[in-house]
Amino acid sequence: ELKVEQNPLFLSMQEGKNYTIYCNYSTTSDRLYWYRQDPGKSLESLFVLLSNGAVKQEGRLMASLDTKARLSTLHITAAVHDLSATYFCAVEGGWGSRLTFGEGTQLTVNP
Amino acid sequence: KAGVTQTPRYLIKTRGQQVTLSCSPISGHRSVSWYQQTPGQGLQFLFEYFSETQRNKGNFPGRFSGRQFSNSRSEMNVSTLELGDSALYLCASSLEPGANTGELFFGEGSRLTVL
Repeated sequence: ELKVEQNPLFLSMQEGKNYTIYCNYSTTSDRLYWYRQDPGKSLESLFVLLSNGAVKQEGRLMASLDTKARLSTLHITAAVHDLSATYFCAVEGGWGSRLTFGEGTQLTVNP
Repeated sequence: KAGVTQTPRYLIKTRGQQVTLSCSPISGHRSVSWYQQTPGQGLQFLFEYFSETQRNKGNFPGRFSGRQFSNSRSEMNVSTLELGDSALYLCASSLEPGANTGELFFGEGSRLTVL
């Protein structure tokens, strides 16, 4: 059974600081997704990582994938308050669109 | 381009009732999957449909069922509602399972409260 673990689960940081969220998964997969969720809202797609060594960047967020280590990271650079949200990683297990999600990392960026 | 549309957005039911939720995928997308989100269990996969066929099913009791129509729209049904079924039900669409683009687009969700 595919398991996906994120850490930390709660992250409180100051504006302007850098931090990394980690996502470990238990079985081989070449597809990893990062989503953002604001309170009461749906999931917004941030990144889709499709191969080993993939790195994608959008604004202050950068995601990477190491399929050999079964690890993905979401790096936040110079955080701003607008980044406050819950971030989920999700791994696709096998053929199809069945995603296994991590527990989510609740990020709070304080002024 | 319209996104994934889910209806109803909010609903309240009582224990023992049944509920049907609807999802219209993005135009041209043929794969629809459903997820349940609760504070305790997080996001859990319910089922996936492609070309009117259920391709995958998560670990949920038989009270949870779904179907997909020829126009790719999908419905899910929960019968004999229990308090624990209170959740945000999210629908996601993609071009097709395993598509190289790999991207899933989620709707706004249907928030079900069971009293």
